[in-house]
Amino acid sequence: QLVLTQSPSASASLGASVKLTCTLSSGHSSYVIAWHQQQPEKGPRYLMKFNNDGSHSKGDGIPDRFSGSSSGAERYLIISSLQSEDEADYYCQTWDTGIHGVFGGGTKLTVL
Amino acid sequence: QVQLVESGGGVVQPERSLRLSCAASGFTFSSFGMHWVRQAPGKGLEWVAVISFDGSNKFYVGSVKGRFTISRDNSKNTLYLQMNGLRAEDTAVYYCLRDHSGGIFDYWGQGTLVTVSS
Repeated sequence: QLVLTQSPSASASLGASVKLTCTLSSGHSSYVIAWHQQQPEKGPRYLMKFNNDGSHSKGDGIPDRFSGSSSGAERYLIISSLQSEDEADYYCQTWDTGIHGVFGGGTKLTVL
Repeated sequence: QVQLVESGGGVVQPERSLRLSCAASGFTFSSFGMHWVRQAPGKGLEWVAVISFDGSNKFYVGSVKGRFTISRDNSKNTLYLQMNGLRAEDTAVYYCLRDHSGGIFDYWGQGTLVTVSS
């Protein structure tokens, strides 16, 4: 069964960088994922799609401060020069060939 | 620019029905698969259903199979979710999403709240 695992919370200081992790379950390490951001009291928005070759494509208006990387079954969302508006929930998402969407449990990022 | 605008949410009693709509603009609607995703109060995101670009294929999460029906009208650029036999656990904000490719979502609507309560 395809499962995406995220840490429930993370924190970092204003102006610093943070790396959020999404781990694909065993046997699914090659899956493409997407990252979505949900700011407080708002709907989610698409940040980027992360491909197996390490490339990524961003959504409209997503600043260069947001980037992605991977290692094995882990996919990372890296946010540099943290700003207060980056305080949000971050979800990774993929598609199971059993024909259904899969979300990670989300990571709540606090900007100190 | 791409816009997805949901409507049709509200308060409904258990076992009753509700139909959600999602008006799409800014892209060729008939070329993209579309999804519904929901978020219960204070909870994470849950994928609900998908429909292919031409409406020929539809899939659902297990908890709504047999109760919810996804459909689309490409002549009206509109996606629908017919929800029957509603339960308290269906209470959530429902979002309409576009499928970028391969089940990756690249645009979200603003959501519409469905509350199931007696």
